[in-house]
Amino acid sequence: DADVTQTPRNRITKTGKRIMLECSQTKGHDRMYWYRQDPGLGLRLIYYSFDVKDINKGEISDGYSVSRQAQAKFSLSLESAIPNQTALYFCATRALADNTGELFFGEGSRLTVL
Amino acid sequence: GQNIDQPTEMTATEGAIVQINCTYQTSGFNGLFWYQQHAGEAPTFLSYNVLDGLEEKGRFSSFLSRSKGYSYLLLKELQMKDSASYLCAVRDVKAAGNKLTFGGGTRVLVKP
Repeated sequence: DADVTQTPRNRITKTGKRIMLECSQTKGHDRMYWYRQDPGLGLRLIYYSFDVKDINKGEISDGYSVSRQAQAKFSLSLESAIPNQTALYFCATRALADNTGELFFGEGSRLTVL
Repeated sequence: GQNIDQPTEMTATEGAIVQINCTYQTSGFNGLFWYQQHAGEAPTFLSYNVLDGLEEKGRFSSFLSRSKGYSYLLLKELQMKDSASYLCAVRDVKAAGNKLTFGGGTRVLVKP
């Protein structure tokens, strides 16, 4: 089983619909991140959280919100999806005590907004 | 802000060597990472450099020159399974959350 699990893996939805992507991890890491990936643009940070009470905006947070329900869970919501939010979304975790700061990624959630 | 540049695509032959360059500009450098990402899959960690020099890990090596804002990833004895995208990422201690910024990735195609 994967250490960082994302659901759903694939989703097609319509403009204006609310969508939630969920991420759970069994690594016991404090830090969790949501990225989106678009061809040629690399991974861009949407939101990140250092613990249950901590939520921080990344570089492209507009149109998104997050919730850190527990140390192991970090969900990403699109309140009213639009076509330019079509992308591959990755959740990632990192251990606070890890000097290298290696990120561990989930398998990705491919979202298509029609 | 940060600017990370790497070539979009490279092609090499099985058994050969390929070098993927990455240049960056950052005000608070705190480490450079290379990740491998096969199509449709999650990125996986390859290497981390924070001091100048070469880090070798089997067929893969990563080099860093902080004064030049330059790194490369060297893939030796290429295998077909090495066909993937390679992502350069830089950590900036002055960025909010000490966050990692990724380049656009270099797609490497290994041909027989």
